[in-house]
Amino acid sequence: DIVMTQSPDSLAVSLGETATINCESSHDVFYTSTNKNYLAWYQQRPGQPPKLLIYWASTRESGVPARFSGSGSGSDFTLTISSLQAEDVAVYYCQQYYTTPPTFGQGTKVEI
Amino acid sequence: QVTLKESGPALVKPTQTLTLTCTVSGFSLNTRGVRVNWIRQPPGKALEWLARIDWDNEVFYSTSLKTRLTISRDTSRNQVVLKMTNMDPVDTGTYYCARMHLGEPGFPYYFDNWGHGTLVTVSS
Repeated sequence: DIVMTQSPDSLAVSLGETATINCESSHDVFYTSTNKNYLAWYQQRPGQPPKLLIYWASTRESGVPARFSGSGSGSDFTLTISSLQAEDVAVYYCQQYYTTPPTFGQGTKVEI
Repeated sequence: QVTLKESGPALVKPTQTLTLTCTVSGFSLNTRGVRVNWIRQPPGKALEWLARIDWDNEVFYSTSLKTRLTISRDTSRNQVVLKMTNMDPVDTGTYYCARMHLGEPGFPYYFDNWGHGTLVTVSS
């Protein structure tokens, strides 16, 4: 199974500032035949199911604010939340879907 | 509108078998490319994928839990059922069903539709 490792485990960011979350996979998740990274990011607010934010490492899901952006390729990825808002307090997970079983990172808790 | 809704017992005893049902609407389980998954989350911990069943009835299981899991579907009821045997207190958590994005059948995708989850507690 591919192991996903996020860093940090938690971070506190002031309102309006930028939060940066890193995700590393134990195996490359770039598929050459499709030229895509099989990496997604989810937001989970307390008491809620995960919500898809980003897929293909950098494509925002419809309706997701532009302050959320994803970058990276191969085995190193980043989720950036610019101009942090109060409603962004949540746990964020990366997930690889390059292979079955799909696997998630351990989560990063973002606080104000 | 795509929706998934989990149901099942809130409390099970150790060694019992857990049976969970995911009732879907807004799509058919027979549609080519449809793949429904079960994912769980212990309290305060990370997400863990458990199993998947595809439109053609192909199934896939977690490497570590495959001996305890059975996933099946009832297309007439629009339901996906997960059975987990020999429940233990460490299996306590919220169990979600989620649909993989409906794309090219030969390629894997992310989870773009989730149910709200059902909390299962394992205790005597």
